[in-house]
Amino acid sequence: DADVTQTPRNRITKTGKRIMLECSQTKGHDRMYWYRQDPGLGLRLIYYSFDVKDINKGEISDGYSVSRQAQAKFSLSLESAIPNQTALYFCATSDPGTGTTEAFFGQGTRLTVV
Amino acid sequence: SQELEQSPQSLIVQEGKNLTINCTSSKTLYGLYWYKQKYGEGLIFLMMLQKGGEEKSHEKITAKLDEKKQQSSLHITASQPSHAGIYLCGADQGEAGNNRKLIWGLGTSLAVNP
Repeated sequence: DADVTQTPRNRITKTGKRIMLECSQTKGHDRMYWYRQDPGLGLRLIYYSFDVKDINKGEISDGYSVSRQAQAKFSLSLESAIPNQTALYFCATSDPGTGTTEAFFGQGTRLTVV
Repeated sequence: SQELEQSPQSLIVQEGKNLTINCTSSKTLYGLYWYKQKYGEGLIFLMMLQKGGEEKSHEKITAKLDEKKQQSSLHITASQPSHAGIYLCGADQGEAGNNRKLIWGLGTSLAVNP
Protein backbone atom coordinates (compact mmCIF):
# COMPACT_ATOMS: atom_id res chain seq x y z
CA ASP A 1 0.00 0.00 0.00
CA ALA A 2 1.16 3.52 -0.77
CA ASP A 3 2.35 5.65 2.13
CA VAL A 4 0.53 8.70 0.75
CA THR A 5 -2.81 7.98 -0.90
CA GLN A 6 -4.86 10.40 -2.93
CA THR A 7 -8.47 9.93 -3.94
CA PRO A 8 -9.83 10.13 -6.51
CA ARG A 9 -7.06 9.49 -9.03
CA ASN A 10 -9.04 11.08 -11.83
CA ARG A 11 -12.04 13.36 -11.79
CA ILE A 12 -14.00 15.29 -14.36
CA THR A 13 -16.33 17.92 -12.99
CA LYS A 14 -18.42 20.78 -14.31
CA THR A 15 -17.77 24.46 -13.83
CA GLY A 16 -19.32 25.73 -10.62
CA LYS A 17 -19.39 22.40 -8.85
CA ARG A 18 -17.82 21.86 -5.45
CA ILE A 19 -15.23 19.14 -5.34
CA MET A 20 -13.03 17.65 -2.65
CA LEU A 21 -9.72 15.90 -3.14
CA GLU A 22 -8.59 13.72 -0.30
CA CYS A 23 -5.18 12.73 0.96
CA SER A 24 -4.29 10.25 3.65
CA GLN A 25 -0.87 9.14 4.86
CA THR A 26 0.49 6.31 6.94
CA LYS A 27 3.94 7.82 7.47
CA GLY A 28 3.06 9.56 10.72
CA HIS A 29 4.30 12.89 9.41
CA ASP A 30 3.02 16.13 10.85
CA ARG A 31 3.59 18.17 7.72
CA MET A 32 1.34 17.89 4.70
CA TYR A 33 1.15 19.86 1.47
CA TRP A 34 -1.08 20.33 -1.54
CA TYR A 35 0.51 21.21 -4.88
CA ARG A 36 -0.80 21.61 -8.37
CA GLN A 37 1.27 20.89 -11.43
CA ASP A 38 0.71 22.54 -14.78
CA PRO A 39 2.80 22.19 -17.92
CA GLY A 40 5.46 24.90 -18.02
CA LEU A 41 4.65 26.10 -14.51
CA GLY A 42 6.05 23.27 -12.44
CA LEU A 43 4.83 22.45 -8.95
CA ARG A 44 3.07 25.27 -7.16
CA LEU A 45 2.15 25.15 -3.49
CA ILE A 46 -1.53 25.68 -2.72
CA TYR A 47 -1.73 25.09 1.04
CA TYR A 48 0.38 23.47 3.67
CA SER A 49 -0.12 22.31 7.22
CA PHE A 50 2.63 21.79 9.78
CA ASP A 51 0.31 20.12 12.27
CA VAL A 52 -3.40 19.55 12.82
CA LYS A 53 -3.97 23.06 14.16
CA ASP A 54 -1.74 24.82 11.65
CA ILE A 55 -2.93 25.71 8.14
CA ASN A 56 -1.04 28.08 5.85
CA LYS A 57 -1.66 29.51 2.42
CA GLY A 58 0.82 28.73 -0.28
CA GLU A 59 1.56 30.74 -3.39
CA ILE A 60 -1.76 30.06 -5.17
CA SER A 61 -4.47 29.53 -2.55
CA ASP A 62 -7.24 31.60 -4.16
CA GLY A 63 -10.21 29.44 -5.09
CA TYR A 64 -9.11 26.62 -2.79
CA SER A 65 -9.65 25.66 0.83
CA VAL A 66 -8.27 22.86 2.96
CA SER A 67 -9.17 20.87 6.03
CA ARG A 68 -6.77 18.95 8.26
CA GLN A 69 -9.10 16.46 9.84
CA ALA A 70 -6.38 14.49 11.58
CA GLN A 71 -2.63 14.06 11.43
CA ALA A 72 -3.13 11.53 8.67
CA LYS A 73 -5.73 13.38 6.58
CA PHE A 74 -5.53 16.59 4.60
CA SER A 75 -8.25 17.42 2.09
CA LEU A 76 -8.36 20.08 -0.59
CA SER A 77 -11.64 21.65 -1.70
CA LEU A 78 -12.56 23.65 -4.75
CA GLU A 79 -15.68 25.52 -3.68
CA SER A 80 -16.74 26.44 -7.19
CA ALA A 81 -14.54 24.78 -9.78
CA ILE A 82 -13.43 26.72 -12.84
CA PRO A 83 -11.69 25.45 -16.00
CA ASN A 84 -8.30 26.98 -15.14
CA GLN A 85 -8.23 24.71 -12.10
CA THR A 86 -7.75 21.81 -14.48
CA ALA A 87 -4.41 20.37 -13.40
CA LEU A 88 -2.59 17.48 -11.78
CA TYR A 89 -2.82 17.80 -8.00
CA PHE A 90 -0.34 16.29 -5.59
CA CYS A 91 -0.41 15.76 -1.87
CA ALA A 92 2.89 15.41 -0.06
CA THR A 93 4.19 14.89 3.46
CA SER A 94 7.46 15.60 5.21
CA ASP A 95 8.97 14.98 8.61
CA PRO A 96 11.05 17.78 10.17
CA GLY A 97 12.39 15.30 12.67
CA THR A 98 14.69 13.94 9.99
CA GLY A 99 16.40 17.31 9.75
CA THR A 100 15.53 17.42 6.07
CA THR A 101 12.64 18.66 3.98
CA GLU A 102 12.40 15.49 1.89
CA ALA A 103 8.87 15.24 0.57
CA PHE A 104 6.88 12.06 0.00
CA PHE A 105 4.28 12.34 -2.71
CA GLY A 106 0.97 10.73 -3.49
CA GLN A 107 0.27 9.42 -6.97
CA GLY A 108 -1.61 12.55 -7.95
CA THR A 109 -5.19 13.43 -8.84
CA ARG A 110 -5.89 14.50 -12.39
CA LEU A 111 -8.73 17.01 -12.27
CA THR A 112 -10.52 18.27 -15.35
CA VAL A 113 -13.05 21.07 -15.06
CA VAL A 114 -15.32 21.37 -18.09
CA SER B 1 12.14 34.98 -12.20
CA GLN B 2 12.41 31.38 -11.12
CA GLU B 3 14.37 30.85 -7.89
CA LEU B 4 15.37 27.40 -9.03
CA GLU B 5 16.35 27.09 -12.67
CA GLN B 6 16.57 23.75 -14.40
CA SER B 7 18.28 23.22 -17.71
CA PRO B 8 17.63 22.05 -20.26
CA GLN B 9 13.85 22.22 -20.27
CA SER B 10 13.68 19.15 -22.46
CA LEU B 11 16.11 16.65 -23.83
CA ILE B 12 15.93 13.90 -26.43
CA VAL B 13 18.80 11.44 -26.51
CA GLN B 14 19.61 8.21 -28.24
CA GLU B 15 19.66 5.12 -26.09
CA GLY B 16 23.14 4.53 -24.72
CA LYS B 17 24.14 8.18 -24.65
CA ASN B 18 25.14 10.08 -21.53
CA LEU B 19 23.32 13.21 -20.44
CA THR B 20 23.41 15.89 -17.75
CA ILE B 21 20.63 17.98 -16.21
CA ASN B 22 21.43 21.04 -14.13
CA CYS B 23 19.61 22.77 -11.31
CA THR B 24 20.78 26.22 -10.22
CA SER B 25 19.54 28.17 -7.24
CA SER B 26 19.48 31.94 -6.86
CA LYS B 27 19.90 31.54 -3.10
CA THR B 28 22.03 29.53 -0.73
CA LEU B 29 21.20 25.86 -0.81
CA TYR B 30 20.74 23.86 2.36
CA GLY B 31 19.63 20.71 0.65
CA LEU B 32 18.88 19.61 -2.88
CA TYR B 33 16.51 16.83 -3.88
CA TRP B 34 16.09 15.08 -7.19
CA TYR B 35 12.81 13.42 -8.13
CA LYS B 36 11.66 11.59 -11.21
CA GLN B 37 8.13 11.70 -12.52
CA LYS B 38 6.73 9.44 -15.16
CA TYR B 39 4.35 11.38 -17.33
CA GLY B 40 1.11 12.08 -15.46
CA GLU B 41 2.15 10.08 -12.41
CA GLY B 42 3.57 10.73 -8.97
CA LEU B 43 7.05 11.82 -8.03
CA ILE B 44 9.63 9.26 -7.09
CA PHE B 45 12.49 10.28 -4.83
CA LEU B 46 15.92 9.72 -6.38
CA MET B 47 18.52 11.40 -4.22
CA MET B 48 19.15 14.01 -1.59
CA LEU B 49 22.34 16.08 -1.38
CA GLN B 50 23.12 18.18 1.64
CA LYS B 51 26.81 18.97 1.71
CA GLY B 52 28.95 20.87 -0.72
CA GLY B 53 30.84 18.51 -2.96
CA GLU B 54 28.56 15.61 -2.07
CA GLU B 55 28.02 13.08 -4.81
CA LYS B 56 25.57 10.19 -4.79
CA SER B 57 24.84 7.45 -7.25
CA HIS B 58 21.94 5.14 -7.82
CA GLU B 59 22.31 2.62 -10.59
CA LYS B 60 23.33 4.72 -13.61
CA ILE B 61 22.28 8.06 -12.15
CA THR B 62 24.79 10.29 -10.35
CA ALA B 63 24.06 13.62 -8.71
CA LYS B 64 26.52 16.20 -7.39
CA LEU B 65 26.13 19.34 -5.35
CA ASP B 66 28.38 22.33 -5.94
CA GLU B 67 27.73 24.59 -2.98
CA LYS B 68 29.79 27.51 -4.30
CA LYS B 69 27.93 27.61 -7.57
CA GLN B 70 24.64 26.87 -5.79
CA GLN B 71 24.10 24.20 -8.37
CA SER B 72 23.44 20.51 -8.66
CA SER B 73 23.92 18.31 -11.68
CA LEU B 74 22.26 14.99 -12.45
CA HIS B 75 24.16 12.75 -14.80
CA ILE B 76 22.78 9.64 -16.48
CA THR B 77 25.26 7.22 -17.99
CA ALA B 78 24.31 4.99 -20.90
CA SER B 79 20.69 6.12 -20.95
CA GLN B 80 17.86 3.64 -21.42
CA PRO B 81 14.20 4.09 -22.36
CA SER B 82 13.33 3.44 -18.71
CA HIS B 83 15.08 6.71 -17.83
CA ALA B 84 12.47 8.70 -19.74
CA GLY B 85 10.33 11.03 -17.70
CA ILE B 86 10.42 14.40 -16.02
CA TYR B 87 13.24 15.13 -13.63
CA LEU B 88 12.49 17.67 -10.94
CA CYS B 89 14.85 19.31 -8.52
CA GLY B 90 13.63 20.65 -5.20
CA ALA B 91 15.68 22.90 -2.96
CA ASP B 92 15.64 23.66 0.71
CA GLN B 93 16.67 27.28 0.85
CA GLY B 94 16.77 27.26 4.61
CA GLU B 95 14.02 29.64 5.59
CA ALA B 96 14.26 30.65 9.20
CA GLY B 97 12.67 28.65 11.98
CA ASN B 98 10.09 26.05 11.18
CA ASN B 99 9.03 27.51 7.85
CA ARG B 100 11.35 25.40 5.79
CA LYS B 101 9.73 24.22 2.61
CA LEU B 102 10.95 22.98 -0.67
CA ILE B 103 10.87 25.12 -3.76
CA TRP B 104 10.83 23.45 -7.13
CA GLY B 105 12.35 23.79 -10.54
CA LEU B 106 10.08 23.54 -13.57
CA GLY B 107 11.42 20.14 -14.52
CA THR B 108 13.40 18.64 -17.37
CA SER B 109 11.54 16.37 -19.75
CA LEU B 110 13.73 13.51 -20.95
CA ALA B 111 12.96 11.24 -23.87
CA VAL B 112 15.24 8.33 -24.76
CA ASN B 113 14.92 6.95 -28.25
CA PRO B 114 15.62 3.24 -28.68
